[in-house]
Amino acid sequence: DQQVKQNSPSLSVQEGRISILNCDYTNSMFDYFLWYKKYPAEGPTFLISISSIKDKNEDGRFTVFLNKSAKHLSLHIVPSQPGDSAVYFCAASEIHGNKLVFGAGTILRVKS
Amino acid sequence: GAGVSQSPSNKVTEKGKDVELRCDPISGHTALYWYRQRLGQGLEFLIYFQGNSAPDKSGLPSDRFSAERTGESVSTLTIQRTQQEDSAVYLCASSLGQGGQPQHFGDGTRLSIL
Repeated sequence: DQQVKQNSPSLSVQEGRISILNCDYTNSMFDYFLWYKKYPAEGPTFLISISSIKDKNEDGRFTVFLNKSAKHLSLHIVPSQPGDSAVYFCAASEIHGNKLVFGAGTILRVKS
Repeated sequence: GAGVSQSPSNKVTEKGKDVELRCDPISGHTALYWYRQRLGQGLEFLIYFQGNSAPDKSGLPSDRFSAERTGESVSTLTIQRTQQEDSAVYLCASSLGQGGQPQHFGDGTRLSIL
Protein backbone atom coordinates (compact mmCIF):
# COMPACT_ATOMS: atom_id res chain seq x y z
CA ASP A 1 0.00 0.00 0.00
CA GLN A 2 1.75 3.12 -1.26
CA GLN A 3 0.78 5.95 1.06
CA VAL A 4 2.83 8.51 -0.88
CA LYS A 5 2.76 8.43 -4.66
CA GLN A 6 4.76 10.27 -7.27
CA ASN A 7 3.05 9.25 -10.47
CA SER A 8 5.54 10.81 -12.88
CA PRO A 9 8.76 8.80 -13.04
CA SER A 10 10.49 11.55 -15.00
CA LEU A 11 10.13 15.15 -16.16
CA SER A 12 12.10 17.12 -18.72
CA VAL A 13 12.12 20.93 -18.66
CA GLN A 14 13.96 23.65 -20.55
CA GLU A 15 16.36 25.82 -18.58
CA GLY A 16 14.66 28.98 -17.32
CA ARG A 17 11.16 27.48 -17.37
CA ILE A 18 9.10 26.24 -14.44
CA SER A 19 9.41 22.67 -13.16
CA ILE A 20 6.36 21.27 -11.40
CA LEU A 21 6.70 18.02 -9.47
CA ASN A 22 3.61 16.39 -8.05
CA CYS A 23 2.88 14.12 -5.12
CA ASP A 24 -0.30 12.50 -3.77
CA TYR A 25 -0.87 10.90 -0.40
CA THR A 26 -3.59 8.72 1.07
CA ASN A 27 -3.04 8.84 4.84
CA SER A 28 -5.10 11.64 6.37
CA MET A 29 -2.94 11.51 9.51
CA PHE A 30 0.00 13.00 7.61
CA ASP A 31 0.47 16.64 8.54
CA TYR A 32 4.08 17.38 7.68
CA PHE A 33 5.46 17.15 4.16
CA LEU A 34 8.96 17.48 2.76
CA TRP A 35 10.77 17.50 -0.55
CA TYR A 36 14.25 16.06 -0.93
CA LYS A 37 16.64 16.20 -3.86
CA LYS A 38 19.07 13.37 -4.56
CA TYR A 39 22.13 13.17 -6.78
CA PRO A 40 23.64 9.79 -7.70
CA ALA A 41 25.81 8.25 -4.97
CA GLU A 42 24.76 10.92 -2.46
CA GLY A 43 22.16 10.97 0.27
CA PRO A 44 18.91 12.93 -0.11
CA THR A 45 19.27 16.65 0.58
CA PHE A 46 16.43 18.44 2.33
CA LEU A 47 14.89 21.18 0.15
CA ILE A 48 11.71 22.51 1.68
CA SER A 49 8.87 21.46 3.95
CA ILE A 50 5.32 22.44 4.79
CA SER A 51 3.00 21.69 7.66
CA SER A 52 -0.71 21.15 7.20
CA ILE A 53 -1.59 24.48 8.78
CA LYS A 54 -0.24 26.18 5.65
CA ASP A 55 -1.04 25.84 1.97
CA LYS A 56 2.14 27.40 0.62
CA ASN A 57 5.78 27.72 1.63
CA GLU A 58 8.41 29.51 -0.41
CA ASP A 59 12.21 29.46 -0.24
CA GLY A 60 14.01 31.20 -3.05
CA ARG A 61 13.33 29.40 -6.33
CA PHE A 62 11.42 26.62 -4.55
CA THR A 63 7.75 26.77 -3.57
CA VAL A 64 5.69 23.94 -2.13
CA PHE A 65 1.89 24.00 -2.39
CA LEU A 66 -0.36 21.81 -0.27
CA ASN A 67 -3.99 20.98 -1.08
CA LYS A 68 -5.26 19.06 1.95
CA SER A 69 -8.71 18.36 0.58
CA ALA A 70 -7.18 16.72 -2.50
CA LYS A 71 -4.32 15.16 -0.51
CA HIS A 72 -1.95 16.61 -3.06
CA LEU A 73 1.22 18.62 -2.93
CA SER A 74 3.50 20.03 -5.56
CA LEU A 75 6.97 21.51 -5.78
CA HIS A 76 7.55 24.41 -8.15
CA ILE A 77 11.06 25.36 -9.23
CA VAL A 78 11.34 28.72 -10.97
CA PRO A 79 13.49 29.33 -12.92
CA SER A 80 14.81 25.83 -13.51
CA GLN A 81 18.58 25.44 -13.83
CA PRO A 82 20.68 22.56 -15.21
CA GLY A 83 22.05 21.96 -11.69
CA ASP A 84 18.51 21.13 -10.58
CA SER A 85 18.70 17.89 -12.56
CA ALA A 86 18.33 15.15 -9.93
CA VAL A 87 15.81 12.76 -8.42
CA TYR A 88 13.18 14.50 -6.29
CA PHE A 89 11.47 12.65 -3.47
CA CYS A 90 8.29 13.67 -1.72
CA ALA A 91 7.99 12.51 1.90
CA ALA A 92 5.31 12.74 4.58
CA SER A 93 4.92 12.11 8.28
CA GLU A 94 2.78 12.94 11.24
CA ILE A 95 4.29 16.12 12.72
CA HIS A 96 4.82 14.42 16.05
CA GLY A 97 5.67 11.13 14.43
CA ASN A 98 9.02 9.66 13.70
CA LYS A 99 9.31 7.97 10.34
CA LEU A 100 9.09 9.56 6.93
CA VAL A 101 7.12 7.79 4.22
CA PHE A 102 8.66 8.42 0.81
CA GLY A 103 7.37 8.39 -2.71
CA ALA A 104 9.32 6.53 -5.40
CA GLY A 105 10.84 9.72 -6.78
CA THR A 106 10.72 11.75 -10.00
CA ILE A 107 13.78 12.22 -12.19
CA LEU A 108 14.02 15.86 -13.27
CA ARG A 109 16.14 16.76 -16.28
CA VAL A 110 16.70 20.43 -16.99
CA LYS A 111 17.98 20.97 -20.52
CA SER A 112 20.21 23.92 -21.36
CA GLY B 1 32.33 17.17 9.76
CA ALA B 2 29.02 18.95 10.02
CA GLY B 3 26.86 16.34 8.30
CA VAL B 4 25.76 12.75 8.92
CA SER B 5 28.65 10.40 8.30
CA GLN B 6 28.24 6.76 7.26
CA SER B 7 30.77 3.99 6.83
CA PRO B 8 31.68 2.06 4.85
CA SER B 9 30.49 3.79 1.70
CA ASN B 10 30.45 0.46 -0.14
CA LYS B 11 30.33 -3.11 1.12
CA VAL B 12 30.42 -6.28 -0.94
CA THR B 13 29.99 -9.55 0.89
CA GLU B 14 28.98 -13.13 0.32
CA LYS B 15 25.52 -14.45 1.08
CA GLY B 16 25.32 -15.75 4.62
CA LYS B 17 27.90 -13.38 6.10
CA ASP B 18 27.09 -10.78 8.77
CA VAL B 19 27.60 -7.07 8.06
CA GLU B 20 27.76 -4.03 10.30
CA LEU B 21 27.04 -0.52 9.08
CA ARG B 22 27.94 2.61 11.03
CA CYS B 23 26.31 6.04 11.33
CA ASP B 24 27.61 9.19 13.03
CA PRO B 25 24.75 11.68 13.33
CA ILE B 26 24.96 15.47 13.37
CA SER B 27 26.13 16.66 16.77
CA GLY B 28 23.20 17.68 18.95
CA HIS B 29 20.64 15.69 17.00
CA THR B 30 18.72 13.50 19.40
CA ALA B 31 16.82 11.52 16.78
CA LEU B 32 18.43 8.97 14.45
CA TYR B 33 16.81 6.96 11.68
CA TRP B 34 17.79 4.13 9.36
CA TYR B 35 16.23 3.71 5.93
CA ARG B 36 16.83 1.37 3.02
CA GLN B 37 16.57 2.18 -0.68
CA ARG B 38 16.31 -0.66 -3.13
CA LEU B 39 17.05 -0.06 -6.79
CA GLY B 40 14.44 2.17 -8.43
CA GLN B 41 12.39 2.56 -5.28
CA GLY B 42 11.80 5.15 -2.61
CA LEU B 43 13.28 5.06 0.85
CA GLU B 44 11.89 2.47 3.25
CA PHE B 45 11.91 3.16 7.02
CA LEU B 46 13.74 0.61 9.15
CA ILE B 47 14.26 1.89 12.72
CA TYR B 48 14.18 5.09 14.80
CA PHE B 49 16.02 6.12 17.97
CA GLN B 50 15.05 9.11 20.12
CA GLY B 51 17.14 9.87 23.18
CA ASN B 52 16.76 7.19 25.85
CA SER B 53 13.35 6.03 24.66
CA ALA B 54 12.82 2.51 23.37
CA PRO B 55 13.57 2.45 19.63
CA ASP B 56 10.79 2.08 17.08
CA LYS B 57 11.75 -1.12 15.27
CA SER B 58 8.53 -1.41 13.29
CA GLY B 59 10.26 -1.16 9.90
CA LEU B 60 12.85 -3.90 10.36
CA PRO B 61 12.09 -6.54 7.69
CA SER B 62 13.19 -9.59 9.67
CA ASP B 63 14.89 -10.67 12.89
CA ARG B 64 18.17 -10.81 10.97
CA PHE B 65 18.22 -7.01 11.22
CA SER B 66 19.12 -5.20 14.42
CA ALA B 67 20.44 -1.78 15.40
CA GLU B 68 21.98 -0.14 18.41
CA ARG B 69 22.69 3.40 19.42
CA THR B 70 24.97 4.59 22.21
CA GLY B 71 23.37 7.56 23.91
CA GLU B 72 22.88 10.31 21.35
CA SER B 73 25.85 9.39 19.21
CA VAL B 74 26.93 6.58 16.94
CA SER B 75 24.55 3.91 15.69
CA THR B 76 25.28 0.55 14.10
CA LEU B 77 22.93 -1.46 11.90
CA THR B 78 23.71 -5.17 11.82
CA ILE B 79 22.42 -7.65 9.26
CA GLN B 80 23.03 -11.29 10.10
CA ARG B 81 23.15 -14.13 7.58
CA THR B 82 22.79 -11.75 4.65
CA GLN B 83 20.58 -12.65 1.70
CA GLN B 84 20.68 -11.32 -1.85
CA GLU B 85 17.46 -9.36 -1.26
CA ASP B 86 19.32 -7.34 1.40
CA SER B 87 21.28 -5.64 -1.40
CA ALA B 88 20.37 -1.94 -1.22
CA VAL B 89 21.64 1.45 -0.15
CA TYR B 90 21.28 1.85 3.60
CA LEU B 91 20.78 5.47 4.61
CA CYS B 92 21.04 7.03 8.04
CA ALA B 93 19.42 10.34 8.98
CA SER B 94 19.32 12.50 12.08
CA SER B 95 17.17 15.37 13.28
CA LEU B 96 16.62 17.60 16.28
CA GLY B 97 13.83 15.26 17.26
CA GLN B 98 11.22 17.95 17.71
CA GLY B 99 8.02 18.07 15.74
CA GLY B 100 8.32 19.59 12.32
CA GLN B 101 12.09 19.27 12.05
CA PRO B 102 13.54 17.86 8.82
CA GLN B 103 15.74 14.77 8.77
CA HIS B 104 19.23 15.18 7.34
CA PHE B 105 20.76 12.22 5.54
CA GLY B 106 24.19 10.73 5.13
CA ASP B 107 25.44 9.48 1.76
CA GLY B 108 24.57 5.89 2.60
CA THR B 109 26.27 2.51 2.47
CA ARG B 110 25.82 0.61 -0.78
CA LEU B 111 25.53 -3.05 0.23
CA SER B 112 25.93 -5.76 -2.39
CA ILE B 113 25.35 -9.40 -1.51
CA LEU B 114 26.92 -11.86 -3.93
